[in-house]
Amino acid sequence: GEDVEQSLFLSVREGDSSVINCTYTDSSSTYLYWYKQEPGAGLQLLTYIFSNMDMKQDQRLTVLLNKKDKHLSLRIADTQTGDSAIYFCAESNDYKLSFGAGTTVTVRA
Amino acid sequence: NAGVTQTPKFQVLKTGQSMTLQCAQDMNHNSMYWYRQDPGMGLRLIYYSASEGTTDKGEVPNGYNVSRLNKREFSLRLESAAPSQTSVYFCASSNREQYFGPGTRLTVT
Repeated sequence: GEDVEQSLFLSVREGDSSVINCTYTDSSSTYLYWYKQEPGAGLQLLTYIFSNMDMKQDQRLTVLLNKKDKHLSLRIADTQTGDSAIYFCAESNDYKLSFGAGTTVTVRA
Repeated sequence: NAGVTQTPKFQVLKTGQSMTLQCAQDMNHNSMYWYRQDPGMGLRLIYYSASEGTTDKGEVPNGYNVSRLNKREFSLRLESAAPSQTSVYFCASSNREQYFGPGTRLTVT
């Protein structure tokens, strides 16, 4: 079955880079996703990567995928206070997504 | 484009009461999903509908039923609410990446 794991908390200074890590178990996943959830809101799709890619960059966001180790990371450059949120990684299996428990990112001044 | 909409936003039920959570999407997506979110557990799939006319159980279907009314609408019904169903419920839709509604916060006393 699918199992996605993330560290639960990350504290980062404003202006620094944040790196959120995720491991997954399903080697047949075709897409891997990063979602952001702000307090009291739904999940917002940030970015995704196809499983045959190693890296994807989108403005301040960089996704790295190590398919051999089943490791996914999200780097946020120049972290801002508005980046404080819960970040979920998810792997796709057929129509369904399996989510990690989420990493709460706190940005301190 | 409203995206994915959910009603109601908040609900309080007594144990044994029933209710239906409504979800609609205007993105012409084929697939729709219901998740619940509990602290420290990420999102867990309750039911999904891969296409109009089909529904399937997810990870935690017990105590719930669903109806895919048409391509736009997917409802979730609790026939006899229990305190264990206190949670935040999210609807999502997709053709590939999933887009989420704002959530329904349900408390069962």
